[in-house]
Amino acid sequence: EPEVTQTPSHQVTQMGQEVILRCVPISNHLYFYWYRQILGQKVEFLVSFYNNEISEKSEIFDDQFSVERPDGSNFTLKIRSTKLEDSAMYFCASRDGTGGYQPQHFGDGTRLSIL
Amino acid sequence: DQQVKQNSPSLSVQEGRISILNCDYTNSMFDYFLWYKKYPAEGPTFLISISSIKDKNEDGRFTVFLNKSAKHLSLHIVPSQPGDSAVYFCAASPGSSNTGKLIFGQGTTLQVKP
Repeated sequence: EPEVTQTPSHQVTQMGQEVILRCVPISNHLYFYWYRQILGQKVEFLVSFYNNEISEKSEIFDDQFSVERPDGSNFTLKIRSTKLEDSAMYFCASRDGTGGYQPQHFGDGTRLSIL
Repeated sequence: DQQVKQNSPSLSVQEGRISILNCDYTNSMFDYFLWYKKYPAEGPTFLISISSIKDKNEDGRFTVFLNKSAKHLSLHIVPSQPGDSAVYFCAASPGSSNTGKLIFGQGTTLQVKP
């Protein structure tokens, strides 16, 4: 069964450094998402991406964050200058978006640790 | 933001019995509700969904019930198996969002004892 893959599984970064989290969504899917889960808290929506542009973003997704689909397969989340509070699990998801309602499928996440 | 709430952080049931996981929501504009299962070190895995125009959806051992007047949904697992032990997340998709973003509850940890 096709799946969403995320790399790396764990990223350790010094505060203030830039970090890029990578995702390969399911190949025929049209909608792409990033969520995060801070330890002990809910899974929170960050951003959705459709037709090569951001379609919706949350209040969390400020100017420090950006997303990109640099080619036909990868979908990346960049955090420009990381802060301690960015430490979390980051999940990528994708959704078909055709033929009626389709659920989102999630990757296994990247654990981001900011030191 | 408490739009989707799972009030029970944990649930323990005996193998073979029914597991009932509950979820409450506040936004009457949600148009789809979903349940996801999550094992440690893995991402959420889709289980079952229900449209806001339905009151029940069944898929094998999993049934989701929606009570719109009470703004409540529940997931029934019958019979429960030890492999069902995981964290279960309720999620909702706002009708006002054309991107299908999900709003999650806090999760309920289910333990099924052999």
